[in-house]
Amino acid sequence: RKEVEQDPGPFNVPEGATVAFNCTYSNSASQSFFWYRQDCRKEPKLLMSVYSSGNEDGRFTAQLNRASQYISLLIRDSKLSDSATYLCVVNTAGRRALTFGSGTRLQVQP
Amino acid sequence: EAGVTQFPSHSVIEKGQTVTLRCDPISGHDNLYWYRRVMGKEIKFLLHFVKESKQDESGMPNNRFLAERTGGTYSTLKVQPAELEDSGVYFCASSPQAGASDTQYFGPGTRLTVL
Repeated sequence: RKEVEQDPGPFNVPEGATVAFNCTYSNSASQSFFWYRQDCRKEPKLLMSVYSSGNEDGRFTAQLNRASQYISLLIRDSKLSDSATYLCVVNTAGRRALTFGSGTRLQVQP
Repeated sequence: EAGVTQFPSHSVIEKGQTVTLRCDPISGHDNLYWYRRVMGKEIKFLLHFVKESKQDESGMPNNRFLAERTGGTYSTLKVQPAELEDSGVYFCASSPQAGASDTQYFGPGTRLTVL
């Protein structure tokens, strides 16, 4: 079983739509949580960290449920430029290594 | 401020040859990481340097891989001898200092193809 599981997609949505991605992690010792964005043939870039209380950054909202070991990302008012692969990433207590999910591909269509 | 840089951007070698990848972290970043993504798989951690010391090398697949960071600045990752399954994209990342929640900044990667 993978440590971080994501639906690979692709999610094809029209501009302006709201889309949600989910992710589950198996290691209960995970302590830090992130969403990274990766464009085709580019490096991953941090989109946002995920906090227990939930956090929002403009059109993006991230939620963490430690009891269910579940992380979500909500994108409102999708833009064409949001098309990318979204990587769910966790980090275990005591280590700096990041554990990546395989990513969820989003395609926003005009 | 310059980001993480990696060289070369692409490398095509034959099985059995040696390849050396280089990573220059963001200036002042003590932490340097190597990751790789092989075809169809997720990005996986290889190792972590703090300055010139290997802090965590639990992700190194076997002894054909050798990473160094002499002087605590740039790092090299040598694969010798390369095998077909080593093909993939090798990413380097760096982060400033302490704290597991520190953002890791990734370089553009080196795409390695072993024929």
